[in-house]
Amino acid sequence: SAVISQKPSRDICQRGTSLTIQCQVDSQVTMMFWYRQQPGQSLTLIATANQGSEATYESGFVIDKFPISRPNLTFSTLTVSNMSPEDSSIYLCSARTGGNTIYFGEGSWLTVV
Amino acid sequence: SQKIEQNSEALNIQEGKTATLTCNYTNYSPAYLQWYRQDPGRGPVFLLLIRENEKEKRKERLKVTFDTTLKQSLFHITASQPADSATYLCGYTGGFKTIFGAGTRLFVKA
Repeated sequence: SAVISQKPSRDICQRGTSLTIQCQVDSQVTMMFWYRQQPGQSLTLIATANQGSEATYESGFVIDKFPISRPNLTFSTLTVSNMSPEDSSIYLCSARTGGNTIYFGEGSWLTVV
Repeated sequence: SQKIEQNSEALNIQEGKTATLTCNYTNYSPAYLQWYRQDPGRGPVFLLLIRENEKEKRKERLKVTFDTTLKQSLFHITASQPADSATYLCGYTGGFKTIFGAGTRLFVKA
């Protein structure tokens, strides 16, 4: 298994600002992902965080808006840039182990005002 | 496009009964399916994984089936308890990505 820690757990942000979310895994994992979950909705994959190279983004998500870093096998960051109220959501870090199971952090609740 | 569907209506059952949740997928042949529990304000918690060559998987009161012909997975909770009340998500994985359904809300009444 993998234990995933995210911070901040919750934040209220001003429109137009940027916020970086940090994700730490307690063991080396094969892959890390970032998901978004808007209220009452399912999980939407934002991107796959690739170690040492640019993230792979899903349709509708771009690097300028959601820059992602993954400097090593256990750590990743997601930045939500130039935030608007539409970015209010839960952002979830996840990691895939060698057994192919996906584990999630507790999420970062962002409210943009 | 790839699609995964779960019953969007909430499921209400009486304590002690078996809850059965459905997950259907289209336009894809996943290598495996995963089921998660999510409580309000919390991240999803992994419950069970079943591979395409497995028909059934069990863990305590939980059972998952995987029918690749019907493109469907069923998730059963036997002897349900009020503490089982939560949203249950299914996700399928093929290649590198895991795609999730919208989840089914389960309410177990005492």
